Amino acid sequence: IQLTQSPSSLSASVGDRVTITCRASQGISRYLAWHQRKPGKAPKLLISGVSTLESGVPSRFSGSGSGTDFTLTISSLQPEDFAVYYCQQLNYNPPAFGGGTKVEIK
Amino acid sequence: QLQLQESGPGLVKPSETLSLTCIVSGGSISSTSYYWGWVRQPPGKELEWIGSIDYSGNTYYSPYLQSRVTISADASRQRFYLKLHSVTAADTAVYHCVRDRGQWLIDCWGQGTLVTVSS
Repeated sequence: IQLTQSPSSLSASVGDRVTITCRASQGISRYLAWHQRKPGKAPKLLISGVSTLESGVPSRFSGSGSGTDFTLTISSLQPEDFAVYYCQQLNYNPPAFGGGTKVEIK
Repeated sequence: QLQLQESGPGLVKPSETLSLTCIVSGGSISSTSYYWGWVRQPPGKELEWIGSIDYSGNTYYSPYLQSRVTISADASRQRFYLKLHSVTAADTAVYHCVRDRGQWLIDCWGQGTLVTVSS
């Protein structure tokens, strides 16, 4: 299973709406998670099951999709959201990750 | 709060064995609810799941690495381990230890440690 994220990087301003896509080479039902990694810190699980926010994750984050096409949306980008975001499929062994999307400050 | 911390040599020679330890604090690796595993990321490449171990010592490995990987655990010391045998330069990566909630859902990551394979 291959996961293709787009874009690989983007520049955005605080307050912008940001959308990241993740496309799977085969259907993965709703077995998709999103992780966030900030420089020098451990990655963090944001969303599981396509759209279920982990405890403590701000509601400006949301996920959607099914089958092969998925999106992570940040409704109003905040300074602490500048990071790299990875999707992960959980339907097939081995679990695979997307290449990452780096969200930078414009 | 659960914390995972990797430790081990940052440099390994080709053909030798890479050995890493993950120290778990704030949670028990004896829990029946979780798996404990390893994920790596070579420079400029994608994250790659290596394998995991459960509370009873059952191991689950990536089919791409299973011939070279051994994961074990010591519940009394709250640690689990990775051994990757016969390494090459392609095994150079940041290695993260992780907690898996089930079906490979990683809900806690260590910060990661860079291991370079070079003579």
